[in-house]
Amino acid sequence: DGGITQSPKYLFRKEGQNVTLSCEQNLNHDAMYWYRQDPGQGLRLIYYSQIVNDFQKGDIAEGYSVSREKKESFPLTVTSAQKNPTAFYLCASSGALSGANVLTFGAGSRLTVL
Amino acid sequence: AQKVTQAQTEISVVEKEDVTLDCVYETRDTTYYLFWYKQPPSGELVFLIRRNSFDEQNEISGRYSWNFQKSTSSFNFTITASQVVDSAVYFCALSEAPSNTGNQFYFGTGTSLTVIP
Repeated sequence: DGGITQSPKYLFRKEGQNVTLSCEQNLNHDAMYWYRQDPGQGLRLIYYSQIVNDFQKGDIAEGYSVSREKKESFPLTVTSAQKNPTAFYLCASSGALSGANVLTFGAGSRLTVL
Repeated sequence: AQKVTQAQTEISVVEKEDVTLDCVYETRDTTYYLFWYKQPPSGELVFLIRRNSFDEQNEISGRYSWNFQKSTSSFNFTITASQVVDSAVYFCALSEAPSNTGNQFYFGTGTSLTVIP
């Protein structure tokens, strides 16, 4: 079945540590996105990528980094510079470079900083 | 400014009641798309519907219906005869015409619906 796989589902981190969240899709989608979800704040865009080796900052990119070396993969690193990283992280993809295609979401990764 | 507003933070209804979730959007584009997604307790967002700005026809899919009104910039979602399985957070979203860096999606803050048996 085609879809988006996010791992790990739950992750605990000590303050000062970097962590990387994995996002892999087998939908052959060009565009991939990372969102952060906090209670009562909806989804906020961290980074997005329309093609391999290119990505754009979203509304809350500070303290995060991404790479897009392969079409299928868009990992997100939460760095120690992110002051409040505890949140639910959602990866998504869509099918074309233009037009408003439907976003397909992964199951999410919940990060907790201890 | 918030591009998508979902003023209802939480709604509770008794099973079999009808419920309408409100969505108001803001855009200067003439071409745009509106979406509704459902987020059950498992966390994964599930796509429900997409409408483009040129199609104001209301749509019905089973117990779900959507009312798109450009005059009031609203895209409301009604669940008829609600069921416990409808309990979830529902998000409305807007996508405008693509820029040279692609198109972004703007999400509302979500409405948490609880259907009481």
